[in-house]
Amino acid sequence: SQTIHQWPATLVQPVGSPLSLECTVEGTSNPNLYWYRQAAGRGLQLLFYSVGIGQISSEVPQNLSASRPQDRQFILSSKKLLLSDSGFYLCAWRDYNEQFFGPGTRLTVL
Amino acid sequence: DAKTTQPTSMDCAEGRAANLPCNHSTISGNEYVYWYRQIHSQGPQYIIHGLKNNETNEMASLIITEDRKSSTLILPHATLRDTAVYYCIVQGGTALIFGKGTTLSVSS
Repeated sequence: SQTIHQWPATLVQPVGSPLSLECTVEGTSNPNLYWYRQAAGRGLQLLFYSVGIGQISSEVPQNLSASRPQDRQFILSSKKLLLSDSGFYLCAWRDYNEQFFGPGTRLTVL
Repeated sequence: DAKTTQPTSMDCAEGRAANLPCNHSTISGNEYVYWYRQIHSQGPQYIIHGLKNNETNEMASLIITEDRKSSTLILPHATLRDTAVYYCIVQGGTALIFGKGTTLSVSS
């Protein structure tokens, strides 16, 4: 069966610090991968998606970036965090009909 | 932007059916209607999806109007654990675009 992992589960970072969130998927190959963010009290915002290694589509311009160095690995990064980057970050993968979400990383920027 | 319109919130008594409406008047012929729900502090969970025909699974039923401009998600016997935000999504491309959803509160 397929499994999606995200780490860390929670993170507290100062403004201006770098960020690296990792997502890995097991049990499938060549999945479509997604990064979403949910700010407090808000809906889910699609940030990036990837249909293959090295292929990244950005949905919202901001100070975040994504990379897909391996087939089942998706990384969300920032060089300098802003207060507004606080939120719940969810990685997801998609099979033919369903999109499966990971457990999420709760990021607090102080 | 999301292509759907849902009520902000709904209440339902435990054991009764919860009927969650969704309007998607601009839906294209090849776009599916998906329903997900999100329980507090968790990732969204897939419920059901459909194209034209009504669908039923172990969690819910999906009723799509003949003109496909609206649909209703039915939870036949709501429980307290069904309290969540329910998202109706029209999807024809690569990614799901979430709107604000309906907050369903089930009470005893």
